[in-house]
Amino acid sequence: EVQLVESGGGLVQPGGSLRLSCAASGFTFSSYEMNWVRQAPGKGLEWVSYISSSGSTIYYADSVKGRFTISRDNAKNSLYLQMNSLRAEDTAVYYCARVVGYSYDYWGQGTLVTVSS
Amino acid sequence: QSALTQPASVSGSPGQSITISCTGTSSDVGGYNYVSWYQQHPGKAPKLMIYDVSNRPSGVSNRFSGSKSGNTASLTISGLQAEDEADYYCSSYTSSSTLEVFGGGTKLTVL
Repeated sequence: EVQLVESGGGLVQPGGSLRLSCAASGFTFSSYEMNWVRQAPGKGLEWVSYISSSGSTIYYADSVKGRFTISRDNAKNSLYLQMNSLRAEDTAVYYCARVVGYSYDYWGQGTLVTVSS
Repeated sequence: QSALTQPASVSGSPGQSITISCTGTSSDVGGYNYVSWYQQHPGKAPKLMIYDVSNRPSGVSNRFSGSKSGNTASLTISGLQAEDEADYYCSSYTSSSTLEVFGGGTKLTVL
């Protein structure tokens, strides 16, 4: 069974940092591209970042470029999102999602990041 | 403001059919056959319902279908059931630096 489990969310002050993790199981993690998608409270989905299966190709949404860094450790079946210089507008549930073609076929349950003083 | 435009809400009675539209541009919906639809129940993760405009993943009911005309994609749900009540989001690959864009979401109410 495919499972994606996010962790690392929490309350952080504006300007602070947080590192999210996504533990994958039930599939060959190293063969799949992965994404982070977020959802602000009561709002819609927003694509955040993409990483290729090898980690060699990375993309970011303009809203997080220069502040967030996506990475992966295929030996540990894990995806990461390092978030720096956090702003109030980064407050959201962050989901990791497996990419198949141009869609996301499996999602984690999400981890809540709250940026507030 | 979301890159793709969806109606905020739609409603229908059990057994009826509804259609949710998703309007973009030639840089996303109109330019590629890479439109997906996701269903999200409150407090839950999104679930893939349609990919590549009109394809259903294994396990998704054939009551769900997708199509596209020009810059507008559509999700049709036939034979509405109570469990279909949820938020629905479209997404599309885009040639812009954003890579992927979502619609603002549509709340489906089953009356």
